[in-house]
Amino acid sequence: DAGVTQSPTHLIKTRGQQVTLRCSPKSGHDTVSWYQQALGQGPQFIFQYYEEEERQRGNFPDRFSGHQFPNYSSELNVNALLLGDSALYLCASSADRGAGYGYTFGSGTRLTVV
Amino acid sequence: AQTVTQSQPEMSVQEAETVTLSCTYDTSESDYYLFWYKQPPSRQMILVIRQEAYKQQNATENRFSVNFQKAAKSFSLKISDSQLGDAAMYFCAYRRGRRSNYQLIWGAGTKLIIKP
Repeated sequence: DAGVTQSPTHLIKTRGQQVTLRCSPKSGHDTVSWYQQALGQGPQFIFQYYEEEERQRGNFPDRFSGHQFPNYSSELNVNALLLGDSALYLCASSADRGAGYGYTFGSGTRLTVV
Repeated sequence: AQTVTQSQPEMSVQEAETVTLSCTYDTSESDYYLFWYKQPPSRQMILVIRQEAYKQQNATENRFSVNFQKAAKSFSLKISDSQLGDAAMYFCAYRRGRRSNYQLIWGAGTKLIIKP
């Protein structure tokens, strides 16, 4: 049973460019969350998608946007990249059966902005 | 706003010994969940153990157990019989129990070193 799959694993972009990161949730999961983890820090919540809608959003600018597809997979888009966007981006999936069951994470996409 | 604090940036322990990682949190909620996640060099966050705030009994998963002190807002992780494979970053995380709030709030992490 495949867990959460993220692509690509590594990415290097130039300031001002746009990037798209992809996530396939664990089988049986219908909810996808995205987190940004800067080096040496804990993750920060970007947003969560459920039923193809953004259900909750953290304190991130509108340059960060997302999408969820009917098969529950998701994309994270970041426009007008800044050096400070360099981080590990983690995708987490869960089944919407109530709070507290924890999330299954992927191995992340390491984004470097130069 | 809820916050999670891990005051130990790094801990080391001899293989086969026991180590305790500390976590404190701040919340005015009564219904919430607490988690410990492990992040090895592979970068994937792996759920170690979870605790429901309304349960007084401390959670246990094999060699991993927690000491949940709700009044003190403390949630420490004890690892018994430490193994080399336990070496990783450990993160404490909090989530409100309301279905309208889904985000995990994380501490800064503790790096656990296992000495052979």
